Amino acid sequence: LAKTTQPISMDSYEGQEVNITCSHNNIATNDYITWYQQFPSQGPRFIIQGYKTKVTNEVASLFIPADRKSSTLSLPRVSLSDTAVYYCLVDYRSGAGSYQLTFGKGTKLSVIP
Amino acid sequence: GAVVSQHPSRVICKSGTSVKIECRSLDFQATTMFWYRQFPKQSLMLMATSNEGSKATYEQGVEKDKFLINHASLTLSTLTVTSAHPEDSSFYICSARDLLGAMGTGYTFGSGTRLTVV
Repeated sequence: LAKTTQPISMDSYEGQEVNITCSHNNIATNDYITWYQQFPSQGPRFIIQGYKTKVTNEVASLFIPADRKSSTLSLPRVSLSDTAVYYCLVDYRSGAGSYQLTFGKGTKLSVIP
Repeated sequence: GAVVSQHPSRVICKSGTSVKIECRSLDFQATTMFWYRQFPKQSLMLMATSNEGSKATYEQGVEKDKFLINHASLTLSTLTVTSAHPEDSSFYICSARDLLGAMGTGYTFGSGTRLTVV
């Protein structure tokens, strides 16, 4: 499984755009990049997933360069409720069956009023 | 979307007693469920993979006789912490994959169980 590296923590003011970059130098051809959000005392929640280029949904954007060795989660105009730990995962996406997800250390985002 | 219900959300037990945690997939069937443990300010660590109708697969360093897993149906897996000790106090989270789900990887996590052993 590809290992991921993220900043341990980040601070941001409300209303700003936050970009969290994750390094995954040994990502495999079949690997997808997925980001989860976790609030204290809750299970992780899926945010966004991508394979290459750019993916956008209602809560975030995910930028993946051509070499796929890194990815950047972009949160537009963060609010206090975005304070959480964000995990970047690289996993093999199989159409059938289940496999364990491996979590790295994550990035603790603190949004300041 | 797929929902995984975990119960109880928090439990306090005396040292030496056993505690059972339930994980249910509410609107999909899960032949495989995963149990994670998370200590304060740390990441999730996989404990075991629960397989419906067969024995669970435990990660290295996880005592299978202490953490009993039963996956008797396609929608329910249970984790029993036997003879709990204070060092077992942690946040336990289950996860399952909705193979028919369209969102992301299809993995959904329960809300977690905070176990405190006193």
